[in-house]
Amino acid sequence: AQSVTQPDIHITVSEGASLELRCNYSYGATPYLFWYVQSPGQGLQLLLKYFSGDTLVQGIKGFEAEFKRSQSSFNLRKPSVHWSDAAEYFCAVGARRDDKIIFGKGTRLHILP
Amino acid sequence: GAGVSQTPSNKVTEKGKYVELRCDPISGHTALYWYRQSLGQGPEFLIYFQGTGAADDSGLPNDRFFAVRPEGSVSTLKIQRTERGDSAVYLCASSQREARSYNEQFFGPGTRLTVL
Repeated sequence: AQSVTQPDIHITVSEGASLELRCNYSYGATPYLFWYVQSPGQGLQLLLKYFSGDTLVQGIKGFEAEFKRSQSSFNLRKPSVHWSDAAEYFCAVGARRDDKIIFGKGTRLHILP
Repeated sequence: GAGVSQTPSNKVTEKGKYVELRCDPISGHTALYWYRQSLGQGPEFLIYFQGTGAADDSGLPNDRFFAVRPEGSVSTLKIQRTERGDSAVYLCASSQREARSYNEQFFGPGTRLTVL
């Protein structure tokens, strides 16, 4: 069965600092991998996705993520965070196109001014 | 254009009552998904429709939960004999099914259900 682990429940970084949110997945084959962001009062928004090919994927809002098969990881990064990045971030996995998405429990990002 | 809409935005009910939650997908989207997000958790899959039929209902927790999509557009999630543990935000998503491409799921704002 597919599963996703986000080991950090909360992360606090200073505005302008770099960010890395960790994600590990469990799946037998190459999965579809996603990062979503959920801001208060907002719906879930897709930041980026990985299916195949280049293991470094670029997303919206300056985010990127790297797929590492050997580590079963798909960590999200941003070189310089902005106060508006404060939100809940979810890593997710799908088995195939149009499949249900399995979400991690999320990491809440706090930004210090 | 209009995104996925869900009504009501908030629903408060008493234990044992019946509730219906509605989802209006993006026009033209053939796939529709229901997820449930409990406090402090990520969304959990409930059911997926392709057109009018449920392609995967493996996430429905028990037979008190039922969902329909009679005309392949609007969907209703129905919960009978509600329990306090059903309190959560119920999210709906839709996607446009196209061959040979990934079909992004677009999420609605959710319905917050509170069972007293």
